[in-house]
Amino acid sequence: GQQVMQIPQYQHVQEGEDFTTYCNSSTTLSNIQWYKQRPGGHPVFLIQLVKSGEVKKQKRLTFQFGEAKKNSSLHITATQTTDVGTYFCAGPRGNKLVFGAGTILRVKS
Amino acid sequence: GAVVSQHPSWVICKSGTSVKIECRSLDFQATTMFWYRQFPKQSLMLMATSNEGSKATYEQGVEKDKFLINHASLTLSTLTVTSAHPEDSSFYICSARESTVNSPLHFGNGTRLTVT
Repeated sequence: GQQVMQIPQYQHVQEGEDFTTYCNSSTTLSNIQWYKQRPGGHPVFLIQLVKSGEVKKQKRLTFQFGEAKKNSSLHITATQTTDVGTYFCAGPRGNKLVFGAGTILRVKS
Repeated sequence: GAVVSQHPSWVICKSGTSVKIECRSLDFQATTMFWYRQFPKQSLMLMATSNEGSKATYEQGVEKDKFLINHASLTLSTLTVTSAHPEDSSFYICSARESTVNSPLHFGNGTRLTVT
């Protein structure tokens, strides 16, 4: 079945450094969604990408959807301590949403 | 924005007892809700899809008699962990969608279950 792979598993950066997490699907996706889960919290929806090659920005966060609609990335510029948490990508499979393994981001101040 | 309320946020129970977890969509109707289980530092594992007015659809490997799901109304789904054992200890999270299949999921705050 459809799988969503996400790398890296962990990323430990110095505050102010950039951070990127990558997501790859074994099949073409109609859309891809990104979620953030703070430590001890629940996942919160960040954004949805639908179009091939789409790029969306939210302040210091830049989301990209690949031309083939099989991969995506989330890039954070100049990380801050408030960015800590786990970032998940997710793609639809029928009525469900398949989540990647997530990337845990830690920021050293 | 859409809010999903999950209760309780944490529960400790003795082995052999049953625990019920409630998930409510507060300001929208959810014909479909999802129940996930999450182990520390791991991803969200879909357990089942809860459909209003019909039986839940369970993922492979999830025991439907162990994890009873009821979706009695468009705003309420419940998960009952029956005859709980220590290995059932985990973080259980529900989520709901507002409308179309591609709508984003709104998650509850999760329930931390500890079975002693």
